[in-house]
Amino acid sequence: GAVVSQHPSRVICKSGTSVKIECRSLDFQATTMFWYRQFPKQSLMLMATSNEGSKATYEQGVEKDKFLINHASLTLSTLTVTSAHPEDSSFYICSAIRGLYQETQYFGPGTRLLVL
Amino acid sequence: AQSVSQHNHHVILSEAASLELGCNYSYGGTVNLFWYVQYPGQHLQLLLKYFSGDPLVKGIKGFEAEFIKSKFSFNLRKPSVQWSDTAEYFCAVNADSGGSNYKLTFGKGTLLTVNP
Repeated sequence: GAVVSQHPSRVICKSGTSVKIECRSLDFQATTMFWYRQFPKQSLMLMATSNEGSKATYEQGVEKDKFLINHASLTLSTLTVTSAHPEDSSFYICSAIRGLYQETQYFGPGTRLLVL
Repeated sequence: AQSVSQHNHHVILSEAASLELGCNYSYGGTVNLFWYVQYPGQHLQLLLKYFSGDPLVKGIKGFEAEFIKSKFSFNLRKPSVQWSDTAEYFCAVNADSGGSNYKLTFGKGTLLTVNP
């Protein structure tokens, strides 16, 4: 199967600092990766779509300067939460696809971010 | 834009009971439909998916779902649940555009608790 990992699994940081979350496809090359945010007892909300070697496409209402996404290789995408504030505390989940026809997304285990 | 609604926030069943989780979507065009499961402490996993063809789709672990186009529904069923089915279940949809659109819209999820 297709395995996606995320690091770290949990991070606590002070308000005003930046946090980087990594998403890796371990056994396949991912042409596209997605970043989601999940609030307690709520659905996954798509934040952005990133394609290898190009700029990420952000969903409406997501600040691109706040949530920096880099997809530098076919196996790695990073999400950096810049100048984090307590309201950024959430569960961040990435997913990846190879780009095949009618393919499904493979999800990472998520990263719990707590901003104090 | 499409939206997905899951009728039940929390379902509690005893082992061997039958399960049906509702999912309705709003989108006028062709859609691809998915059910994902998230076991406690684990990442999202695909249960089953519908792209085209037979509207009754069989997935892993004895789950099945039926796509009823006229009702915009894709309900998940299992004839006899087990304690190990305790998890959160998410319905998701994407608008079919020739297989090149992978963006998913998720429902809020249904927490299933199965008592032994």
